[in-house]
Amino acid sequence: DTGVSQNPRHKITKRGQNVTFRCDPISEHNRLYWYRQTLGQGPEFLTYFQNEAQLEKSRLLSDRFSAERPKGSFSTLEIQRTEQGDSAMYLCASSDRGKDYGYTFGSGTRLTVV
Amino acid sequence: DQQVKQNSPSLSVQEGRISILNCDYTNSMFDYFLWYKKYPAEGPTFLISISSIKDKNEDGRFTVFLNKSAKHLSLHIVPSQPGDSAVYFCAASATNFGNEKLTFGTGTRLTIIP
Repeated sequence: DTGVSQNPRHKITKRGQNVTFRCDPISEHNRLYWYRQTLGQGPEFLTYFQNEAQLEKSRLLSDRFSAERPKGSFSTLEIQRTEQGDSAMYLCASSDRGKDYGYTFGSGTRLTVV
Repeated sequence: DQQVKQNSPSLSVQEGRISILNCDYTNSMFDYFLWYKKYPAEGPTFLISISSIKDKNEDGRFTVFLNKSAKHLSLHIVPSQPGDSAVYFCAASATNFGNEKLTFGTGTRLTIIP
């Protein structure tokens, strides 16, 4: 097992375009998390799945954002009509024991909206 | 509103000496605290955690201290090694409320001087 994998590593898009990121968690992990990190800030919680159920969403996740985990395995995060303020590092993490045991993060997808 | 604060953006320490990283929080509902370490171009890596029922937790060279009355925690690294140079994030959660959200501080960049 190679850990949490995120693709692509980098994405540059024009304002107004849609983008989709993929996260492949550690295979036996039933919990999957999305965070966003902007320059000079710590990661900010976006959403959380347990298996295929999306159990918690942050207010940061506006209606332009949608996340899915269709079969309880990989997850996708889509941003529609991107804005310059969406430029950030999008981090995925997974766990089989919950957040308090220090889940495993991927290397992230860096989004730049121009 | 920054509920978890790391007031020192950077810290330089001589190799072999003790590194002390500090974190303050404002939310009284936080009852579990974690430290993460982040290298460039990688996701954060879990280091150590502490529950609010304890005031100290130790793991090898890393010790976390919690002062609940002051809403303050610190991470001690001793002895400091060059590989410890990274950005360190403090994070907190409210486990009794059953949510899966971690709230992160803004990070402290630690540089170990050989």
